[in-house]
Parts: sequence; structure tokens; C-alpha cells
Amino acid sequence: DAMVIQNPRYQVTQFGKPVTLSCSQTLNHNVMYWYQQKSSQAPKLLFHYYDKDFNNEADTPDNFQSRRPNTSFCFLDIRSPGLGDAAMYLCATSRADRGLFIPYEQYFGPGTRLTVT
Amino acid sequence: QKEVEQDPGPLSVPEGAIVSLNCTYSNSAFQYFMWYRQYSRKGPELLMYTYSSGNKEDGRFTAQVDKSSKYISLFIRDSQPSDSATYLCAMRVMIKAAGNKLTFGGGTRVLVKP
Repeated sequence: DAMVIQNPRYQVTQFGKPVTLSCSQTLNHNVMYWYQQKSSQAPKLLFHYYDKDFNNEADTPDNFQSRRPNTSFCFLDIRSPGLGDAAMYLCATSRADRGLFIPYEQYFGPGTRLTVT
Repeated sequence: QKEVEQDPGPLSVPEGAIVSLNCTYSNSAFQYFMWYRQYSRKGPELLMYTYSSGNKEDGRFTAQVDKSSKYISLFIRDSQPSDSATYLCAMRVMIKAAGNKLTFGGGTRVLVKP
């Protein structure tokens, strides 16, 4: 089945130790998103890739970076995790057609729960 | 003030009851309105999607949008224990820039008791 896959599902890292979360998709969607969701809160968009174009949200800390080496994969790098970065990180994908305002659905992965010790 | 407000609950109902959920929003540019269901430790999944004001039905689910009041609702009829989850409303403006940015409400936790 076509899907959005996130690895690992659970990640424990130490304060200040860089960590990378991964997302892959078999949907061949051209847009990939990273959201941060803290307990009982709304998912918060960190950034997204439209094809190879990176779009950062204005309030996303510099500590968060992303890479998209190809259509299928996208990575979230947290350079120096703090205790406040403990959260569920959700990857999502969607189609999008430049210039067309078609509201394609976003498909979410199961998330990676990050714990910072 | 948050762009999208949603009561966090929890909302506890007996099996078979109607579940009523709602969100209010402040940005009149929102044009598309969605409801996602999120089970514990899982990613959100899309339930319903509406564009215009009015009602939309899909099985046991009915979504309502009132753009004049900036208010959307989701009703779940004949609720089942399997409906126990967090329900997130989400909204979107269509911008020329890439992608389809969603703005989420904080989610309402629903518990349907057998």
C-alpha cells in the first residue's frame, strides 16, 4: 500500500546531541511537510518542501533543519535538542500543482515521538 | 489569540449518542475546512473536507461550515467506542506560494463509552 513511513517511531536523544528523523513516501507526492505536535496541542508546521524548494515557517527555530535528497525521502535534523523539543514529529505529503488552487489532501505518517533526556 | 480555537475536552458520551464538535476561527481568508481524526500515538487521518458554507454528509459524519460566523462543526451519529480519538479541525487558505499550508485547532479528545 502507498503510504508515508516514519523512522524511528520512538527516538530518545540526549540534551544537545544532534538527532535526525526520517520520512519516506511511496505516494510520489511533490510536497512534503514536517510538523511538531506537543502533547494535547495542534500540529505546528515547521517547514515544507515543494519539489526541491524549501519553505521555512517564520517562527521555526534555527535549531531545526531539513533535507530532501529526492522525491521519496525527507529528513528532519535537530542540531542541538533541548528539553522543549520533546514532541511528536509528524511528516505529511500531498500533491500540489503550481498555480492551481486545488486542495489536495495531506497524508500523514504515524509520527516519531522524540524524548530528550 | 489563536487563529483556530477548539475546546480540548475531553468529551465523554455513551455509545450511540451524537458527538458534537466545533471550531471557531478568526482568519476570514480560510476557504477550506477539514476534520482529522487522530488515534493515540498515530498520525492524523482525514475524515471530512468542505469548501462552502452548509452541510456535508458522509456516512455517520456530518460537517457544517458557517463562514459568516467563522464556525465549523462535526457531528458523529450513532457513536461507537472505535470513534474514541482526538478530533482536529484544520483550515487552509489558498496561497500562490507552494503547498497547502494547514492551520490546525488544538483538538478535542472524545471518549465513547460502551
